[in-house]
Amino acid sequence: EVQLVESGGGLVQPGGSLRLSCAASGFTFSSYSMNWVRQAPGKGLEWVSYISSSSSTIYYADSVKGRFTISRDNAKNSLYLQMNSLRDEDTAVYYCARDASYYTRGNAFDIWGQGTMVTVSS
Amino acid sequence: DIQMTQSPSSLSASVGDRVTITCQASQDISNYLNWYQQKPGKAPKLLIYDASNLETGVPSRFSGSGSGTDFTFTISSLQPEDIATYYCQQYDNPTWTFGQGTKVEIK
Repeated sequence: EVQLVESGGGLVQPGGSLRLSCAASGFTFSSYSMNWVRQAPGKGLEWVSYISSSSSTIYYADSVKGRFTISRDNAKNSLYLQMNSLRDEDTAVYYCARDASYYTRGNAFDIWGQGTMVTVSS
Repeated sequence: DIQMTQSPSSLSASVGDRVTITCQASQDISNYLNWYQQKPGKAPKLLIYDASNLETGVPSRFSGSGSGTDFTFTISSLQPEDIATYYCQQYDNPTWTFGQGTKVEIK
């Protein structure tokens, strides 16, 4: 079964750091680009970051640029998001999502994890 | 940056009704437009990609159309299990933007 499982969420104080992980299974992880998408409580979806299959290309949303770092370990079938200098507005459920650019021109996200909650609060 | 305007923000319809949601881009995005369904407490699910292509396994009552700046998502006959929030998503290399979402409820 194709699956993504996030972990690492929790409560952190403003200015703190947190590292999220996403474990992939059921497909050849090293062949796919990956993304992080977040959703604040009661709000819509916001794309956060993209990483290509070989880690050669990385993009960030302006809202997290300079504070978040995306990475991956293809040997461990894992995707990561290092979040530093966290702010109240970073409170959200964070999803990892597989990039479907291998069959979609619009680079859709075809597989999603269940999400992990990050709460930034003092 | 390309802005996406999705409407309506919510709608209420009866089982069997035809439901239509629109998404408008602030500039031409060709057919780089995808649609997702999100049920409460769950992750989003891809339904339509490249404006009009049905994702494998998705019921044929879901459809999409449009190109350029104006796009439409349709449920031909609303079913109780379709209660969810629907989002459009555009890709403008190298960023992705989602619409504000449309919450669909049963009347």
